[in-house]
Amino acid sequence: DVVMTQSPLSLPVTLGQPASISCRSSQILVYSDGNIYLNWFQQRPGQSPRRLIYKVSNRDSGVPDRFSGSGSGTDFTLKISRVEAEDVGLYYCMQGTHWPFTFGPGTKVDIK
Amino acid sequence: QVQLQESGPGLVKPSETLSLTCTVSGASIKSSYWTWIRQPPGEGLEYVGYIYHTGITNYNPSLKGRATISLDTSKSQFSLKLSSVTAADTAVYYCSGEPRLLDIWGQGTMVTVAS
Repeated sequence: DVVMTQSPLSLPVTLGQPASISCRSSQILVYSDGNIYLNWFQQRPGQSPRRLIYKVSNRDSGVPDRFSGSGSGTDFTLKISRVEAEDVGLYYCMQGTHWPFTFGPGTKVDIK
Repeated sequence: QVQLQESGPGLVKPSETLSLTCTVSGASIKSSYWTWIRQPPGEGLEYVGYIYHTGITNYNPSLKGRATISLDTSKSQFSLKLSSVTAADTAVYYCSGEPRLLDIWGQGTMVTVAS
């Protein structure tokens, strides 16, 4: 299976400051259709996951533009330009290229 | 707006079969793939498997052949059966959409395996 690693696993941030989460895959994530199926999800406490970013850098409808995704090859990044209180939660990267599709362990974002 | 809703027993005995249903509204179940994912308490997310509207399925090998996903287009539902359950199958089970993209999620349903 493709192993997804994330760092850091815990990220205390100051309101209004930027935050960055790294995700690394154990294999290249380019699928035969040319797409890179690397997605990012937010899971607020007590809620189901919500997709923020799909195929590396495409922001979902309704997701604030302070969230952005980037990366290539095996290294990907989720950035929050200015953290707000509502951003507290777990963030997961996930690869949808190699079956079984797999998630990273999650990064817990909270406020300092 | 597409919505997914899981339903099923919250408690299953060890060695028995877990059965869950996901009802799809706001979209045709014949239009896409449909996925089951689970999350043990305090842990991360794991794919169970997915089904295409043609009936083609794919399962996580980690489940060792215990999972079966089926479709009922007349009810706009898809279902999960997981046989020979153990305490390790205790989790919140989510239904979702296209497996490579997971654009939509249900609210999840907690299933506990205990006698």
